[in-house]
This record gives sequence, C-alpha cells and structure tokens, in this order.
Amino acid sequence: EVQLVESGGGLVQPGGSLRLSCAASGFTFSSYTMNWVRQAPGKGLEWVSYISSSSSTIYYADSVKGRFTISRDNAKNSLYLQMNSLRDEDTAVYYCARGFSCSGGGCYHDYWGQGTLVTVSS
Amino acid sequence: DIQMTQSPSSLSASVGDRVTITCRASQGISNYLAWFQQKPGKAPKSLIYAASSLQSGVPSKFSGSGSGTDFTLTISSLQPEDFVTYYCQQYKSYPSTFGQGTRLEIK
Repeated sequence: EVQLVESGGGLVQPGGSLRLSCAASGFTFSSYTMNWVRQAPGKGLEWVSYISSSSSTIYYADSVKGRFTISRDNAKNSLYLQMNSLRDEDTAVYYCARGFSCSGGGCYHDYWGQGTLVTVSS
Repeated sequence: DIQMTQSPSSLSASVGDRVTITCRASQGISNYLAWFQQKPGKAPKSLIYAASSLQSGVPSKFSGSGSGTDFTLTISSLQPEDFVTYYCQQYKSYPSTFGQGTRLEIK
C-alpha cells in the first residue's frame, strides 16, 4: 500500500524557516517524480514544487521561487521542502504527492499524503 | 500559465441524481487532465487521469471526458458521501494548475 506521511509543520514567525519532510513507503520511491502541493485555509489547491526521480529536474511555482528548496533522499525514501523567508501568505496545509504520467513539468498526482499545516504568524 | 476554470462553482443536487461538472483550459492541453475529490479536512483523492481513465479503486459511477480545452466530470447515482468538493488539474506543462473547485451540495 502506497503511503506518504508528512511532518515538520508548525507555527513560525514571518521571515522564519521551516523544513517539511515526507516519508514514503509501499512503492519504489526512487522511480517516481514527487511534488509538493499546498492549500491555504478555505482556498483551492496550489502546486508548489516538482522534483524528478533522480533530482536532475526541479521546478518551483513563481510564488515560492528563491525561498523554497525541494530535495529528496532516495536511500531514505524521503522528500523534503526547505522553506525560508516565510510570509503570511505561505500559511497552508502542505501535501506531498506522487507524480504519475508526468509531462513537461506537470504531473498527475495519484497518491497524496495527509498533509502538514504550516502557519506563518507573529 | 494555463488557467483552469470550473463551472459551476457550486451545485445543488439530490441523492440519486446524476451531475456534470465542467472544466475549461485557457489553451489546449490534449488529455492531460485529472479530477480530484476532497472531503472536508482530508487530502484530495484521485478520481480520473488522462481525462477519462479511472484511478484504480474508484467506482465506475465517476466518469470523465473531453480533450483539448473542454472537459467534464460526471457523477451518477449520487450518494451522501459524494456531496463534497471536486477539482480539476491540468498537467500538460509547468506550472501544473488547478481549477477553483466545485462544491456539490445536497438539495
């Protein structure tokens, strides 16, 4: 059974940093592109970042470019999102999602984690 | 960026009804279109990919169609657990984008 479990969320002040993790199991992690998708309270879904299976290709949404860094450790079956210079508008539930049938930097997300809440507030 | 527009934003229906939700892309995306269901407080659940392919384990009451810019999600024989929010997503190109969501409500 495919499982994705996020951790690392919490309350942080504007300008602060946070590192999210996603532990994967039930599939060959090193074979799949992975993504982060977020959802602000009461709002819709927003894709955040993409990393290919070998980490050779990485994409970011314009809203987080230069502040967030995606990475992965295939030996540990883990995905990460380092978030720096956090802003109020980064407050959201962050989901890791497996990429399937990826094309030109976009992926169908076939499996999602349960999400971890990041709150940016003073 | 490719804009995805869902209609309607909300929809009232009765148990047992059949409903259709529409998603329009601002430019052609071939069949790189997915549909998700999201229950309150839960992660999105995959329903359909490649516009019309059913995700494993999803009941056949859900069906999708379309290509290019216009797509539909049809849900037949509505049950109480179906009255939640649905999103479309294009994954033709970076950045992947989602529709604003359609909230399905019990009439």
